Amino acid sequence: AQRVTQPEKLLSVFKGAPVELKCNYSYSGSPELFWYVQYSRQRLQLLLRHISRESIKGFTADLNKGETSFHLKKPFAQEEDSAMYYCALKPITSGSRLTFGEGTQLTVNP
Amino acid sequence: EAGVTQFPSHSVIEKGQTVTLRCDPISGHDNLYWYRRVMGKEIKFLLHFVKESKQDESGMPNNRFLAERTGGTYSTLKVQPAELEDSGVYFCASSPHGWGTDTQYFGPGTRLTVL
Repeated sequence: AQRVTQPEKLLSVFKGAPVELKCNYSYSGSPELFWYVQYSRQRLQLLLRHISRESIKGFTADLNKGETSFHLKKPFAQEEDSAMYYCALKPITSGSRLTFGEGTQLTVNP
Repeated sequence: EAGVTQFPSHSVIEKGQTVTLRCDPISGHDNLYWYRRVMGKEIKFLLHFVKESKQDESGMPNNRFLAERTGGTYSTLKVQPAELEDSGVYFCASSPHGWGTDTQYFGPGTRLTVL
């Protein structure tokens, strides 16, 4: 079975400060990891996935298999980054269901 | 291109009643998924269609839930009879061809409240 843990339900930072949203997972096979974001009154949308190894809106995330983590980072938070962030896992080789963490509500204060 | 649409956006029903949620995936997407988030919990997978076939329904909580995708286009999720613990937000997602290799695009969700 797979599991995704986001230890912080709420995270508040000031504009311009670095931000890190934590995500840890457990899965015995090879996982694909994602970050989804839901802005206020908008639908859930993909922010980034580890296999793409790209930076979206200044966010990056590195898959650390040793620590089974996929933390989301941004060096300088912006007010428009305020949203709900979900970490999710999908097995690479079997099935396509996403397993989500409980989410972290990020608030960036002016 | 229109995104995934869901109807209704919000439904309030009484315990014991029946509710049917609808999802229209992005045109041409073979894969359709249902997820739900109950209060304070994570978003959980319910089931996955590939075209009109149920590929994985292991997340369906019990036999009060019935999902269909006749013709491989839109899908419905019926809850009969609804219970209090069914309250939550039901999300639909779709992705193009292939065995789960593509990004899943989510609909806005249907908020179900069972009184």
